[in-house]
Amino acid sequence: GENVEQHPSTLSVQEGDSAVIKCTYSDSASNYFPWYKQELGKRPQLIIDIRSNVGEKKDQRIAVTLNKTAKHFSLHITETQPEDSAVYFCAGRIDNDMRFGAGTRLTVKP
Amino acid sequence: DAMVIQNPRYQVTQFGKPVTLSCSQTLNHNVMYWYQQKSSQAPKLLFHYYDKDFNNEADTPDNFQSRRPNTSFCFLDIRSPGLGDAAMYLCATSGRKETQYFGPGTRLLVL
Repeated sequence: GENVEQHPSTLSVQEGDSAVIKCTYSDSASNYFPWYKQELGKRPQLIIDIRSNVGEKKDQRIAVTLNKTAKHFSLHITETQPEDSAVYFCAGRIDNDMRFGAGTRLTVKP
Repeated sequence: DAMVIQNPRYQVTQFGKPVTLSCSQTLNHNVMYWYQQKSSQAPKLLFHYYDKDFNNEADTPDNFQSRRPNTSFCFLDIRSPGLGDAAMYLCATSGRKETQYFGPGTRLLVL
């Protein structure tokens, strides 16, 4: 089955700096890669996603890149703000099977 | 408007006492998922339904069962909860597009 690895496990940045979180996946049949933000005690919230036929997608301060050959994808957050502090999960999907990375705890220091 | 609803939001049960968690959706999605999430960990997929087809993960303990009586509802039954089953249980759905929509979760406490 699919295996998704995520790095780093913790990330601390200064407000206004950029943050990058990276994930790799094992099964080349994976075709959909969402990113979720989860605040303490709340449900995961989809922040951006990318499909395997696209190399890059951007939504305001958030962007995701996908390298199918290398089987990795990354989340980029620019101009970080304290409210971006949360745990971020990447995931990869084959058919109806969704696998999550272990998560990255992002702290944005004011 | 709530799209994926989970009840109850908090559930306390005793060691070994069966418990049922409920999930309902107003999205008419084909697929419904149950995840277990322990503190500071990623959601772990327990099983999912594609319509009425049940797909169990190989490492999901037999103690966990699920029912989907219709498109809108899905239940998670824990037959004999142990202390290690205390966690947040998340229900999610997805339709023709792959996007998953999560419910607010049920936090289970086992005494």
